[in-house]
Amino acid sequence: QVQLVQSGAEMKKPGASVKVSCKTSGYTFTGHYIHWVRQAPGQGPEWMGWINPNRPATYSIKNLEDRLTLTWDTSIGTAYLELSRLTSDDTGIYYCVRPDKGDLTFWGQGSLVTVSS
Amino acid sequence: IQMTQSPSSLSASVGDRVTITCRASQGIAKDLGWYQQKPGKAPKLLISGASTLQLDVPSRFSGSGSGTDFTLTINNLQPEDFATYYCLQDYNYPYTFGQGTKVEIK
Repeated sequence: QVQLVQSGAEMKKPGASVKVSCKTSGYTFTGHYIHWVRQAPGQGPEWMGWINPNRPATYSIKNLEDRLTLTWDTSIGTAYLELSRLTSDDTGIYYCVRPDKGDLTFWGQGSLVTVSS
Repeated sequence: IQMTQSPSSLSASVGDRVTITCRASQGIAKDLGWYQQKPGKAPKLLISGASTLQLDVPSRFSGSGSGTDFTLTINNLQPEDFATYYCLQDYNYPYTFGQGTKVEIK
């Protein structure tokens, strides 16, 4: 069965960087994109971008593209999200998601990132 | 593409019929999904392609619409349906979510 297991909670100071991992199993890693979605406390989800491990290619939303780095390691079926120059507005839960025909079908459990001085 | 979802919250009783709407700022064909989120959990895909129910989703959920206007209907609301619902357009990038509708117990 498809599974996405994410790294644990992180606490960071403003200005620091954070790297979240997403370990996949149950399918061929290069056969599907991985999307990233985040959710601030009490807010709706915000779609952030994707990786295409097969091409390879990435896409990030405009307001994050200078701080967001999406990478992956095909040999271990793992995707990574790195966000730099953190502010309190980056506090939230970060999800990796494997789509199925474009729909966000298989979700990781989420990784809580807290940015606080 | 902006997704405008309404209402932002509603109160309903078990057994009620509930309707949530989502409007896209431009036509998105039928490239819309509906997601349910419960506290502390990741969103769960209920409906894809505006009207296709996922395999594990009860038939009391249904979706309709195309172009710019979409509806999620829950018939015979059950206790486990109290949650927050989001629409998501996957017509083009960047994908965008609606603001959400919190369904609460009356």
